[in-house]
Amino acid sequence: AQKVTQAQTEISVVEKEDVTLDCVYETRDTTYYLFWYKQPPSGELVFLIRRNSFDEQNEISGRYSWNFQKSTSSFNFTITASQVVDSAVYFCALITGSNYKLTFGKGTLLTVNP
Amino acid sequence: DVKVTQSSRYLVKRTGEKVFLECVQDMDHENMFWYRQDPGLGLRLIYFSYDVKMKEKGDIPEGYSVSREKKERFSLILESASTNQTSMYLCASSLSLTPVEHYEQYFGPGTRLTVT
Repeated sequence: AQKVTQAQTEISVVEKEDVTLDCVYETRDTTYYLFWYKQPPSGELVFLIRRNSFDEQNEISGRYSWNFQKSTSSFNFTITASQVVDSAVYFCALITGSNYKLTFGKGTLLTVNP
Repeated sequence: DVKVTQSSRYLVKRTGEKVFLECVQDMDHENMFWYRQDPGLGLRLIYFSYDVKMKEKGDIPEGYSVSREKKERFSLILESASTNQTSMYLCASSLSLTPVEHYEQYFGPGTRLTVT
């Protein structure tokens, strides 16, 4: 069975603060992909990043960065210098080579206050 | 860019009505999915289809059925809507089942269904 845990249900920060969203996953497969999606108030899930299990390189995209650590089964997401437009629900998700179903965490609601 | 569209953003139906939620994708994807999203429960898979006329149950199929007569269109059917089916419904598509790189799912804007 596979599982994704996002322990932080809600986070509230003030604009320009850095914030890290945690994601811990469980799978017995050696081949898998991890994803982060953003769901703004409009409702549509927006794809942010995909990372495969064989690539532990961290990634940076503008103010966004991701830290993938297989040793701790974590795929954390950091927003640097947060902005009000970053306010959304963020989902971490997992898919494996043996199971085509995308398993989502329950999401973290991030509120960035001006 | 992949485009996944859903027929309605908001829908209000009465208990016992038959409800159709339509989803269309324009990128020739093989796989299509229906999820429902509820506060505190995240996204849960209702049904998915990996080819025309092919379907498989997800985690919560009870009370739902699906139809995929054409590759680009995947319909979710509530045979007799009930109040506990009030939810946000999200459709998604992905290219294929193999290789795993093709699993990435693209989502539509969602349909917020209220059953009264």
